[in-house]
Amino acid sequence: QQQVKQSPQSLIVQKGGISIINCAYENTAFDYFPWYQQFPGKGPALLIAIRPDVSEKKEGRFTISFNKSAKQFSLHIMDSQPGDSATYFCAASTSGTYKYIFGTGTRLKVLA
Amino acid sequence: DGGITQSPKYLFRKEGQNVTLSCEQNLNHDAMYWYRQDPGQGLRLIYYSQIVNDFQKGDIAEGYSVSREKKESFPLTVTSAQKNPTAFYLCASTQVGEGSHEQFFGPGTRLTVL
Repeated sequence: QQQVKQSPQSLIVQKGGISIINCAYENTAFDYFPWYQQFPGKGPALLIAIRPDVSEKKEGRFTISFNKSAKQFSLHIMDSQPGDSATYFCAASTSGTYKYIFGTGTRLKVLA
Repeated sequence: DGGITQSPKYLFRKEGQNVTLSCEQNLNHDAMYWYRQDPGQGLRLIYYSQIVNDFQKGDIAEGYSVSREKKESFPLTVTSAQKNPTAFYLCASTQVGEGSHEQFFGPGTRLTVL
């Protein structure tokens, strides 16, 4: 019940296309859902995060869609660029625990 | 600049040796974390600490030890009991209390056992 399942494991997208990464969870106590971006040899950095009181959050080309009833959330990268090539992790957390449960990651490659 | 520093960036260890990875933060965060990253397995929590002089085991604590004597420092020791220590180790921190849950990560230490 503590798992966060992430798919796909890898993704190849043409420049200008839309990249979509999905995550699913079971624990309904989760109330914070961040996405992290990691470049090779670097630490992850927060990209965008959402709480379950909204169904969508957009920041620039990055959008999180959240479906509370399905217990799923996804990251959409619009107009994907080669510079977006990185590994993306979803995560989930419950207020007060200060612990994240991470998905297994998606390696995105955007072709020029 | 505020942030998290980890040292060394690369570390090589002979089998049977203990090694200590350093993590320092100047963000005044209460909570600190150690994660292990292996290809295809995401980030797995080793240990975490929400206050000085207190820490809890994460999901894969066997073969590791930590201390939290100062708020800004959370060193991780990889002991000889850890059977497969070759991995990328990440330290993170966050503020406890109201506000953002964001965890800030350091640049990582890549440990290789020879």
